[in-house]
Amino acid sequence: DTAVSQTPKYLVTQMGNDKSIKCEQNLGHDTMYWYKQDSKKFLKIMFSYNNKELIINETVPNRFSPKSPDKAHLNLHINSLELGDSAVYFCASSTLTDTQYFGPGTRLTVL
Amino acid sequence: GQSLEQPSEVTAVEGAIVQINCTYQTSGFYGLSWYQQHDGGAPTFLSYNALDGLEETGRFSSFLSRSDSYGYLLLQELQMKDSASYFCAVRDNRGSQGNLIFGKGTKLSVKP
Repeated sequence: DTAVSQTPKYLVTQMGNDKSIKCEQNLGHDTMYWYKQDSKKFLKIMFSYNNKELIINETVPNRFSPKSPDKAHLNLHINSLELGDSAVYFCASSTLTDTQYFGPGTRLTVL
Repeated sequence: GQSLEQPSEVTAVEGAIVQINCTYQTSGFYGLSWYQQHDGGAPTFLSYNALDGLEETGRFSSFLSRSDSYGYLLLQELQMKDSASYFCAVRDNRGSQGNLIFGKGTKLSVKP
């Protein structure tokens, strides 16, 4: 009965590789998000989707491409990974309120 | 744009009361939220204030003063499990939903 789930939980990869992180929510929410949390714990919005449509795209390199096949899923694909991409990536979902429900996070380490 | 200021660290002892302050600057205001994050965990929602005043939920309370662009999270009867990072957040006014803009977090350490 997990509300927001992400896979994988840990991802270790070499520079230059392409990787994907998957996110699913079973809360029936219309809006989903991707956040990046760096080593200083700064939590920054990357993308938000409402009903499968991109709403906000922050200043994120175009190596990052979100994809929402339906409103319950929001996946994040990253091309040509760089050392600076190492962080924890959180998926979240919400309704029209300010209550966001976060997934458990994916710790990405780029070597 | 939006910005939020909160202390980076706070230390308190078990059983005590601690207040974590947050001041914000926004071009449009939709409410102040608080989230808790334990080390290695995900942020979890604690409270939301859209109107001035105090909201109480068990040992935690949150206060908002819109005229002062200020809010705080009050934690009472501190327990060791309250050791975590606490983030205040305001909603970005872009888009129909807006996005949450988070402060940099306050790391609370509760000592025995």
